[in-house]
Amino acid sequence: DQQVKQNSPSLSVQEGRISILNCDYTNSMFDYFLWYKKYPAEGPTFLISISSIKDKNEDGRFTVFLNKSAKHLSLHIVPSQPGDSAVYFCAARLFSGGYNKLIFGAGTRLAVHP
Amino acid sequence: DAGVTQSPTHLIKTRGQQVTLRCSPKSGHDTVSWYQQALGQGPQFIFQYYEEEERQRGNFPDRFSGHQFPNYSSELNVNALLLGDSALYLCASSLRSAGGSTDTQYFGPGTRLTVL
Repeated sequence: DQQVKQNSPSLSVQEGRISILNCDYTNSMFDYFLWYKKYPAEGPTFLISISSIKDKNEDGRFTVFLNKSAKHLSLHIVPSQPGDSAVYFCAARLFSGGYNKLIFGAGTRLAVHP
Repeated sequence: DAGVTQSPTHLIKTRGQQVTLRCSPKSGHDTVSWYQQALGQGPQFIFQYYEEEERQRGNFPDRFSGHQFPNYSSELNVNALLLGDSALYLCASSLRSAGGSTDTQYFGPGTRLTVL
């Protein structure tokens, strides 16, 4: 049962343009959503998060939008830079029994080319 | 400030063997979670340790076990290794708040386990 889905395995964007990465989820009990970036041979690096009670969070070039009615979130990167090329994971936090865990999507590989 | 560290970086084992992976959390963090990332997939939650006890567990068999030490570091043990256990094993640390929820999880670089 895949509760978090990233339907696009890859995305190619030109430098300076906007990158939009999408994520869908099925469980209404998720209380936080996070985006992680992963380079080869490194662990995932936290990028940005959003509470389930918000609809937008912005941090520099990165903005995450949450549409609870559609159970959909997206990460916007503006402007995209070659250093943004990495695999991006969407994760949802499930809090139960006093503890929480992260459930990840399969990731989207972003390639930003000059 | 040291981040999350894991050892070893790479490991090769044969089927049926046992393996122990190690994790030191980020300074100030008290909660450690372990994840398995198979090729082409996202990390999958194995279990979480807090105050030296397993607090949550994902859908993994009992062959996967762990431990947390008083200094918050942790070990992941896998017994009777199968070919399908080949994966990147990630450790993540966080700080548990008074309300029970934990702060953002920060990941280590992982241990690449290959089972032949």
